[in-house]
Amino acid sequence: DAKTTQPPSMDCAEGRAANLPCNHSTISGNEYVYWYRQIHSQGPQYIIHGLKNNETNEMASLIITEDRKSSTLILPHATLRDTAVYYCIVRVALNSGGSNYKLTFGKGTLLTVNP
Amino acid sequence: GAGVSQSPSNKVTEKGKDVELRCDPISGHTALYWYRQSLGQGLEFLIYFQGNSAPDKSGLPSDRFSAERTGGSVSTLTIQRTQQEDSAVYLCASSNRVDFAQYFGPGTRLTVL
Repeated sequence: DAKTTQPPSMDCAEGRAANLPCNHSTISGNEYVYWYRQIHSQGPQYIIHGLKNNETNEMASLIITEDRKSSTLILPHATLRDTAVYYCIVRVALNSGGSNYKLTFGKGTLLTVNP
Repeated sequence: GAGVSQSPSNKVTEKGKDVELRCDPISGHTALYWYRQSLGQGLEFLIYFQGNSAPDKSGLPSDRFSAERTGGSVSTLTIQRTQQEDSAVYLCASSNRVDFAQYFGPGTRLTVL
């Protein structure tokens, strides 16, 4: 399995951009990077995913390095409600055909947005 | 549309009793996953269903744990002879074959006394 490494915690000021790094140096060429977050006492929430190109949606932007060994999740204007544990995950195929997947969650990064 | 729902939201049981946890996935999602999360820990994969294929049970911690998915929709996770170490939040997720993003339910908090 391609493992990911994230800092255990980060702080960000409200209104500023939050940049959450993730290393996945053993990622394979066809493995996607997914980001989820978990706000206290809630189920994980899907944020964004990507393969090679940078991606943006209404929640965040995902920047993947050219060698795909690391990525950064960017919350452009963090709010207090963005305080959560953020998980960077590499999608691992469950079968040889590659049509079934599981997501293995690590410890993630606790992002604290301060007023 | 409606998201993933789980019931009950909380379950308190005595050691040695059996419990059943239910998950209703998002309509049209072919894949269904069960995870559990102990206090202060990350998510632990338990079991995975995809369509009519045999489920991937590789994450089940013991033979006291089993799961079924009837009609390709609703799933039930059963824990027999519960132990105190089974206390955790049990999360269900479903996904489609388009982006494979997993959408999670609110979880069931199981407490074994």
